[in-house]
Amino acid sequence: GESVGLHLPTLSVQEGDNSIINCAYSNSASDYFIWYKQESGKGPQFIIDIRSNMDKRQGQRVTVLLNKTVKHLSLQIAATQPGDSAVYFCAVNLVPSGSARQLTFGSGTQLTVLP
Amino acid sequence: NAGVTQTPKFQVLKTGQSMTLQCAQDMNHEYMSWYRQDPGMGLRLIHYSVGAGITDQGEVPNGYNVSRSTTEDFPLRLLSAAPSQTSVYFCASRWGQASHEQYFGPGTRLTVT
Repeated sequence: GESVGLHLPTLSVQEGDNSIINCAYSNSASDYFIWYKQESGKGPQFIIDIRSNMDKRQGQRVTVLLNKTVKHLSLQIAATQPGDSAVYFCAVNLVPSGSARQLTFGSGTQLTVLP
Repeated sequence: NAGVTQTPKFQVLKTGQSMTLQCAQDMNHEYMSWYRQDPGMGLRLIHYSVGAGITDQGEVPNGYNVSRSTTEDFPLRLLSAAPSQTSVYFCASRWGQASHEQYFGPGTRLTVT
């Protein structure tokens, strides 16, 4: 199986600063990693993903870093804005034998952007 | 496109009652799934479907049934509600088994008293 953990349940940053949210996973066979953002009262929204054959991927103001050696994943948000305040989940994709791909989610980090 | 829609948004049940949570998507996605979200925990997979007529169990299937008679709809049935099923339920869909980008519905907040 797979277990996924986030390092901090909460994170507060000043508006304009960079944010770093961390995630650890357990199964070295995991092949795909995804970050989701969940605003209050809404469903999770896809942010960015990365395959296991990569160690870095950049999007708009976001960067995901993957360290397979220590099974660690991070999401970096540049110039954090008030609209970035949300819960951020990492999800790890594993293909159990004989089954469809399934995602295992971490417990989430609540990011609060301070004015 | 409306994306993934869920009804109702809120529901209160008494222990032992049954009900169906509705989920529909208009993106012609093959893969649909149900998750529950509890405080301090990540989303946990209840049931999923890789296409019409095919369903399978996820991590926490007990107390729930699903069916997939059409591509668009994937209802979740609670057979006999228990307080432990108090949670927020999310339906999600994606294009196919090989696809990774899931689209989530807005959720149903269920309370069982």
